[in-house]
Amino acid sequence: DAMVIQNPRYQVTQFGKPVTLSCSQTLNHNVMYWYQQKSSQAPKLLFHYYDKDFNNEADTPDNFQSRRPNTSFCFLDIRSPGLGDAAMYLCATSHDIGSGDTQYFGPGTRLTVL
Amino acid sequence: GNSVTQMEGPVTLSEEAFLTINCTYTATGYPSLFWYVQYPGEGLQLLLKATKADDKGSNKGFEATYRKETTSFHLEKGSVQVSDSAVYFCALSDDSNDYKLSFGAGTTVTVRA
Repeated sequence: DAMVIQNPRYQVTQFGKPVTLSCSQTLNHNVMYWYQQKSSQAPKLLFHYYDKDFNNEADTPDNFQSRRPNTSFCFLDIRSPGLGDAAMYLCATSHDIGSGDTQYFGPGTRLTVL
Repeated sequence: GNSVTQMEGPVTLSEEAFLTINCTYTATGYPSLFWYVQYPGEGLQLLLKATKADDKGSNKGFEATYRKETTSFHLEKGSVQVSDSAVYFCALSDDSNDYKLSFGAGTTVTVRA
C-alpha cells in the first residue's frame, strides 16, 4: 500500500541535543509538509516543500529546519530542542497544492525532551 | 482570514447512539472542506471531504454535507461503535491561504460499550 512512513515513532532527546526526524512516502507526491501537534491541540504547520522549493511559515522558530534530498524523503531537524518542543510531529504529503487536494498524514513521531 | 469552529468536547456516547459534531467556517474564497480523524497515538486520517456546495462526503458510516448558505459542514453518524472513539478535526483549504489546511480545535469523542 502506498503510504507515508515516519521514523522513529518515539524519540527521546536531551535538552539542547540536536535531533532529526524522518519521513518517507511511496505516493510520489510533489508536496511534503511538517506539522507540530501539542497535546489536545490542532496540528500547526511548520513548513512544506513543493518539489525542491522550501516554504517556511512566518512563525516557525529558527530552531526548526528541514531537508528534502529527493522526492521520497523529508527530514525535520531541531537544532537545539527545548522543553517546549516536546510534541507529536506529523509529516503529510499531497499530490499538488490546489482545490480539493488531500493531505495524507503519517503516524507521527512523538518527541520527548528531557 | 479563514477559520473553523467546532463544537467543544469532550463528547461521550453509548454504543449505537447518534453522533453529530458541528462545524462552521469562515473563508474568503471557495473552500474545500475536510473531516480528519485521529485515533489515540496515531496521525490524522482523512475521513471524508467535499469540494463544492451541496456535495456530501461519506465514509465508514459518517456523512457531512457542504452547506454554503449556513457555512457549515456538520459530521454525522447514525450508530457509533466503541472503535469510533477518537479526536475529529474539521478543516478547510482555499486559495486565499495558498490551500493550507485551517483546522478546528478538534472534538474528542468517547463511545462506551
